[in-house]
Order: sequence, then C-alpha cells, then structure tokens
Amino acid sequence: SAVISQKPSRDICQRGTSLTIQCQVDSQVTMMFWYRQQPGQSLTLIATANQGSEATYESGFVIDKFPISRPNLTFSTLTVSNMSPEDSSIYLCSVVEGGTEAFFGQGTRLTVV
Amino acid sequence: GQQVMQIPQYQHVQEGEDFTTYCNSSTTLSNIQWYKQRPGGHPVFLIQLVKSGEVKKQKRLTFQFGEAKKNSSLHITATQTTDVGTYFCAGPVTGTASKLTFGTGTRLQVTL
Repeated sequence: SAVISQKPSRDICQRGTSLTIQCQVDSQVTMMFWYRQQPGQSLTLIATANQGSEATYESGFVIDKFPISRPNLTFSTLTVSNMSPEDSSIYLCSVVEGGTEAFFGQGTRLTVV
Repeated sequence: GQQVMQIPQYQHVQEGEDFTTYCNSSTTLSNIQWYKQRPGGHPVFLIQLVKSGEVKKQKRLTFQFGEAKKNSSLHITATQTTDVGTYFCAGPVTGTASKLTFGTGTRLQVTL
C-alpha cells in the first residue's frame, strides 16, 4: 500500500498570502489527486496532477488560485494563492493503487485569518 | 454533474445498537467504494464493490451494492466506540477509473 507524506500538517496564514503544500509518495504513480475538505463537509476534487503535463482542474477550481507542480512520479505540490478565510479547509493529496483503493496523505489543516 | 448523496447526515447511537448509512448516486457506477474518516484523520479505504447486487462482509460491517449500481449501503452490527467517525461512499467519476466523487458522508457518534 502507498505511503504518502504530506506537509505541513497544519498552518495558520494571513489573508492575501500563499501556502504551498507538499506531497511525497513512496512509490511512482502516474496521477496524484488533490482534494479539499471544508469543515464538516465531504471531499471535493480540486485537480489531478500529471507528471510531464499540466494539471487537470475540476469545475470551480482554476490554476491561478491553485497552481500545482508535479516534477516527478513521486512528488507534487499544491499552492493555495492569495488566500482568504473561505480557503480555510483541509487539503488532502491522494493516489490510487491498482485502479481501486485511494490512499490519502494525513492532510493539511489550513486556517486563514 | 454526478452527485452522490448519503443519508443520514448524522447518527448518534448507543454502543451495541446497529447503524446503517445509505448512498445514492445520480449516475450508474462501475464500482462503489467505502471510506472511514476518524475525527482529525484522513479517509481510509474500507472496501470496494463491483458487481450488481454484491454483498460483502467485514466482521461487523456489511456492504451492499444495489442491483442498478446506483445505490449502496453500509450496515454496522452492534456498534462499538471504535466505530466513531464519518463514513463516505465514493464512486468513479463517469468516464474515468481513478477520479472519485465522494458522497456527502454520514457522521456516526457512539456513546456508552
């Protein structure tokens, strides 16, 4: 099973600033996924990070707000740009193994003040 | 777009009581997965169902996939305090294999 290290685990940020979240996987994977989980809510897919190509964003999410890097098959970053209090959420990276089971990082709990 | 709803949103039971959460998709799913998220934790995979009408058991947990492959349920027999958490169903986004749409979730609270 994939082991995913995500950092930071939590942060409190000032509005207008940006935060970059890192996700490291212990095996090579084609796709990495970034989710947002707002307080008390379900998971919403932000984008799919593909190695060697641009990330694919879901409806309602744009690259200018959530730029993603994927420099190799084991690592990805998500940046939350120009933050506002509405961006306060848990951000999770995920990979899927065997086309079945999704594994998640521990999550980054972001509070924007 | 594809929507996956779960009911109830929240349930509070006494330890030893049974619990069921229901999952309904607006579209037919190739498979349904269930995840558990403990308070403060991240989602953890429980099981995947693929076949129409499939039933799988894991100890006190029973999972069903509907005949039309649009609904599913998770039943816990004789709940324990370790069952506390939020249970999510998830299905592949239509036309994809790995991208998931998560259900709205059911939060389970168990007290002694």
